[in-house]
Amino acid sequence: EAGVAQSPRYKIIEKRQSVAFWCNPISGHATLYWYQQILGQGPKLLIQFQNNGVVDDSQLPKDRFSAERLKGVDSTLKIQPAKLEDSAVYLCASSSGTAADQYFGPGTRLLVL
Amino acid sequence: QKEVEQNSGPLSVPEGAIASLNCTYSDRGSQSFFWYRQYSGKSPELIMSIYSNGDKEDGRFTAQLNKASQYVSLLIRDSQPSDSATYLCAAHTGGFKTIFGAGTRLFVKA
Repeated sequence: EAGVAQSPRYKIIEKRQSVAFWCNPISGHATLYWYQQILGQGPKLLIQFQNNGVVDDSQLPKDRFSAERLKGVDSTLKIQPAKLEDSAVYLCASSSGTAADQYFGPGTRLLVL
Repeated sequence: QKEVEQNSGPLSVPEGAIASLNCTYSDRGSQSFFWYRQYSGKSPELIMSIYSNGDKEDGRFTAQLNKASQYVSLLIRDSQPSDSATYLCAAHTGGFKTIFGAGTRLFVKA
């Protein structure tokens, strides 16, 4: 069974530029999560989708971050404009349900200069 | 603010010993608890999940949950150098949100 796929794996941009990350969850997983992990910290939930609806986005900085999950499968997370403090690893995870085991993709490492 | 607290470590144990990792959580409505292992530069990997009070064993790993004390632990028996990693505790709150602790770094000395 294929795992969670993410791209790109690495991205370097300058502040005020925009960037987008893509995630393809495990087949059949209805719940998809985007996390931000800053070095030395645990993952912080940015947004959680159940199929193509948002379950929680309370920690998503909505003035600059946006996410969508069209057709309830793939998802895209966008940052516009990026700030220096957005440098982090962006992790996508999926699960079969909202309280079920989560499986993580390899992550996208973002550096904002 | 709902939180999950872990000792950041590092926790250092000799090869073959038992490593004990601890975690407390603040939301009494939390029902599901997870332990993840994260090697440096890699993404978190699920080790165990636990939903009811008591112990749950899987190979060398045992997760323990005490909801009355809001406490979760992970025991690693016969620790190996390959177990050296950061261990993340996570709680799934009553509000459908998963909150992670900052992790405990474990070093297993050969």
